[in-house]
Amino acid sequence: AQSVTQLGSHVSVSEGALVLLRCNYSSSVPPYLFWYVQYPNQGLQLLLKYTSAATLVKGINGFEAEFKKSETSFHLTKPSAHMSDAAEYFCAVSTTGGGNKLTFGTGTQLKVEL
Amino acid sequence: EPEVTQTPSHQVTQMGQEVILRCVPISNHLYFYWYRQILGQKVEFLVSFYNNEISEKSEIFDDQFSVERPDGSNFTLKIRSTKLEDSAMYFCATTRGEGLTGELFFGEGSRLTVL
Repeated sequence: AQSVTQLGSHVSVSEGALVLLRCNYSSSVPPYLFWYVQYPNQGLQLLLKYTSAATLVKGINGFEAEFKKSETSFHLTKPSAHMSDAAEYFCAVSTTGGGNKLTFGTGTQLKVEL
Repeated sequence: EPEVTQTPSHQVTQMGQEVILRCVPISNHLYFYWYRQILGQKVEFLVSFYNNEISEKSEIFDDQFSVERPDGSNFTLKIRSTKLEDSAMYFCATTRGEGLTGELFFGEGSRLTVL
């Protein structure tokens, strides 16, 4: 069985500051990892995914994440936050044979302040 | 840009009533899923559906729940005899293939409130 832990249900940053959203996973087999974003009143949108190729994954809107097996982590970063980044972010894991059955974390609400 | 659409966006119902949530998937997608999120909790997998039958279901998806795609377009989730604890946001998701690298496209969700 796999699981995902997102540290910090709420993160607040200043506009222009570094965004760091933490995600740790647990999986007995090599995982596939995803970050989804949910803007208010919208569905979940895929930001980026790790599927055992490059460990540093670049996604949309300037976000990137690095898969670190030794730390069982897949933290999401963005060098400079923008007001439009305010949303809820979900980390999710899937494993070989799991099809598209995703196991999600509890989500992190990102607030961007002027 | 193609999108998954869900109706209703919000439904309020009395405990014990039946509810049907509808999803229109992206036209060339073949795999369909329902997830739900109880307020303040994780997004949870409910069921996957392919070729007009359930591929996999979670422990949550008991006899109270059913899914079907009756007309080849709408993908529905029926909840019989709703309970208070069924109150949640229900997300439909679809994908063209089952490959792990494939992207799941989610709808905006249907918020169900059971009174």
